[in-house]
Amino acid sequence: SQQGEEDPQALSIQEGENATMNCSYKTSINNLQWYRQNSGRGLVHLILIRSNEREKHSGRLRVTLDTSKKSSSLLITASRAADTASYFCATVGSEKLVFGKGTKLTVNP
Amino acid sequence: DAGVIQSPRHEVTEMGQEVTLRCKPISGHNSLFWYRQTMMRGLELLIYFNNNVPIDDSGMPEDRFSAKMPNASFSTLKIQPSEPRDSAVYFCASSSSGGPYEQYFGPGTRLTVT
Repeated sequence: SQQGEEDPQALSIQEGENATMNCSYKTSINNLQWYRQNSGRGLVHLILIRSNEREKHSGRLRVTLDTSKKSSSLLITASRAADTASYFCATVGSEKLVFGKGTKLTVNP
Repeated sequence: DAGVIQSPRHEVTEMGQEVTLRCKPISGHNSLFWYRQTMMRGLELLIYFNNNVPIDDSGMPEDRFSAKMPNASFSTLKIQPSEPRDSAVYFCASSSSGGPYEQYFGPGTRLTVT
């Protein structure tokens, strides 16, 4: 399956710390995307990294992609309580996205 | 832009009743996706349309589920008859086809079938 799998399933940290979430997948991809979902809301697109890119930054977010290992990581630096949410990776082979089960991040004030 | 609009936001119905969920994609987007999210199964793609044409409905669980997109600004997902195991949050998302396929999600419809 192309489905990404996030690790860990849950992560609890203190405000100001960095949070790292990992995603592994099984087949070749065009790009990989990360989304955030706040409780009771829809998913919000955070960042996209193409298969020929190795690293990408957006504000406090840093995403890496290793296509040889079929893995990606999302780093959130200097976390805030407002970063508390579930984070999903989604792989794109053709037009449709295939989502993993997500990592539930809790940032304690 | 108002983003993807879904209605209703909440639906409570009895088993056996027909349920219709509605979605208005972002203007100019020509791909539309219906997802279902549950604790057990996560986020599942049910069906997606490109230029109003269903492209992949392999995720539709059974014949009780049907989806239509009569025009570029409206889509429906219908469940008839509904069952308690259909209880979930249903999301609609839209994107521009041609890549890179970043999707914009609506707020979801929380369906409870009793």
